[in-house]
This record gives sequence, structure tokens and C-alpha cells, in this order.
Amino acid sequence: QKEVEQNSGPLSVPEGAIASLNCTYSDRGSQSFFWYRQYSGKSPELIMSIYSNGDKEDGRFTAQLNKASQYVSLLIRDSQPSDSATYLCAVVGDDMRFGAGTRLTVKP
Amino acid sequence: EPEVTQTPSHQVTQMGQEVILRCVPISNHLYFYWYRQILGQKVEFLVSFYNNEISEKSEIFDDQFSVERPDGSNFTLKIRSTKLEDSAMYFCASSDQIDRSSYEQYFGPGTRLTVT
Repeated sequence: QKEVEQNSGPLSVPEGAIASLNCTYSDRGSQSFFWYRQYSGKSPELIMSIYSNGDKEDGRFTAQLNKASQYVSLLIRDSQPSDSATYLCAVVGDDMRFGAGTRLTVKP
Repeated sequence: EPEVTQTPSHQVTQMGQEVILRCVPISNHLYFYWYRQILGQKVEFLVSFYNNEISEKSEIFDDQFSVERPDGSNFTLKIRSTKLEDSAMYFCASSDQIDRSSYEQYFGPGTRLTVT
């Protein structure tokens, strides 16, 4: 069974802090990795993609990938209350599999 | 900005009835997908579609499900005989990547299906 695991949270951080979200996956053949944000009752919104080992930065977001450890993470710098949502890790091998998501709350 | 659209936003049906969920992918995209999310649970892959045929499907996508691209814009998911456990949010997504391993998928707003 190909699994994608995330801590369900909730993760609570104060406004302005760094939020760190983690994801592990079981399929070593996975090729592409994505972070989606999902607000309650809404559809997933793509925020980051990463394909090779290392860091990828986009604005306040940094994705980190370590294929040897089968680990991908998302850092959100200067967290804002509007970042409060569930963050979904998605991993592509033969198909795209999602983790259950980590609920993030940013407190003003 | 182009976006994926889905209709209806909410569909209520009786058990055993057929439903068709409709999606209009982003116009220059080549890959199309259906996912479902049961309330409080994870997003689950159902099927991917490329070049007018199914390219991948999950174990959830059994004979009760079918997909079709009836014209140049619509992409549909049909459930032949709905069950109570089919109640979920159904998301359509599309991607413009030829290289499937690097595709970024963009999701529609979803159709909430309620089976009574």
C-alpha cells in the first residue's frame, strides 16, 4: 500500500512565526511532490511543487525534499491568519496520492 | 485567470439513481482527473484521462463509474447506481503537462453529492 503520512495537527503558531509542515511517503518510485492548501469546504489549491532534492522557495513558502529519507516538508515564513487552513501533501507515482492533511491555525 | 469549473455545486439523489457530474477543464490542458473527498477524510484519486481514454484508475473506480469527454470542453463522471457511501465531494482537476511526472493539477470547486 502506497501511503502518504502527515501529522493531522492541529498545528498552532503565532502570527509572524514560521510554520513547519511535514510529510513522509512510502513509494520510493515517487517522482513529483506537491503542497496544496484547502480551506474548509473548498477545493485544494496548489501552492508548491518540488521534483528534486533540496529546497525550493516561492515567496513566504519553502518546500524541502529528501528522497533518500522519503520526506517532504513545507515552511511558511511570517505566518498570517489567512494561512490558517489544512495543508495537503500530494505525491505522484503511478497516480497522485494525498496525505490526510495538517490543520494549521495562525493566531493573531 | 483560467479555472476549472464544475456543475452542479450540489447534487442530491436517491440511492440507486444515476448521476452525472460535469466539469469544464482549463481549455489548453491535456490531462483530466476526478477525485473524491468524503467528509472529514483525505482526497482520493479516482481516475485520470488523457487523449480520450483512461490512463490510470484507482480501486475505488469500479464498474459503477465511467468518464467521458463528450465534446471539446466537457469532462463528465457518471455513477450508474448510487450508493449511500458515494456521498462525498467530487473534484475535477486538469493539467497541461505532457510529462506526467511533473504535472501540476488545478482543481475545480467541487460537486457535493448527497445520496439519500
